[in-house]
Amino acid sequence: NAGVMQNPRHLVRRRGQEARLRCSPMKGHSHVYWYRQLPEEGLKFMVYLQKENIIDESGMPKERFSAEFPKEGPSILRIQQVVRGDSAAYFCASSLTSGTVNTEAFFGQGTRLTVV
Amino acid sequence: QKEVEQNSGPLSVPEGAIASLNCTYSDRVSQSFFWYRQYSGKSPELIMSIYSNGDKEDGRFTAQLNKASQYVSLLIRDSQPSDSATYLCAVNLVYYGQNFVFGPGTRLSVLP
Repeated sequence: NAGVMQNPRHLVRRRGQEARLRCSPMKGHSHVYWYRQLPEEGLKFMVYLQKENIIDESGMPKERFSAEFPKEGPSILRIQQVVRGDSAAYFCASSLTSGTVNTEAFFGQGTRLTVV
Repeated sequence: QKEVEQNSGPLSVPEGAIASLNCTYSDRVSQSFFWYRQYSGKSPELIMSIYSNGDKEDGRFTAQLNKASQYVSLLIRDSQPSDSATYLCAVNLVYYGQNFVFGPGTRLSVLP
């Protein structure tokens, strides 16, 4: 059973370009969470999605950032017109449910985005 | 008050000692609590989950939950240098849209 898969592992973009980060959850998981982490800092929640629905995007910047989790395929975090401040590690996690049990979330290896 | 807070680090303990990591949370309705370990440059790794008041033991790790005090802790017995990492407390805010809120983490150093 494959774990959470993120790709690419490393992504370099020039200022103004678009970045697309992909996350395939663990088999059977329908809940996906995206986090951003700057060096030596904690995990900052960005968005929580279920299949075809955004449940909570309170951590997403209002502009340039969007996320989706289609019925088929991976979840995508999209950053338009990247700026140097977007350079960070972006982690995706998935869980089986969001009830009171079996809610463990497992992380992918992350995508390290560098904006030059 | 921040939703999830952890004792400030870094925390240094000698090899073989017990390391104690603490976490408090603000949402009284939270039902699920987790400890993750993150090595530098790596992704967080789940090490413990706890849902009921009391203690839960797994090898050298013991998680303790007190919902009345809104407090969860992690004890690491017989600490090893390989335990040196940042430990993240996470709370599943079931009744709010935002799930899996993480604390800022506590960096643990186990000295040989």
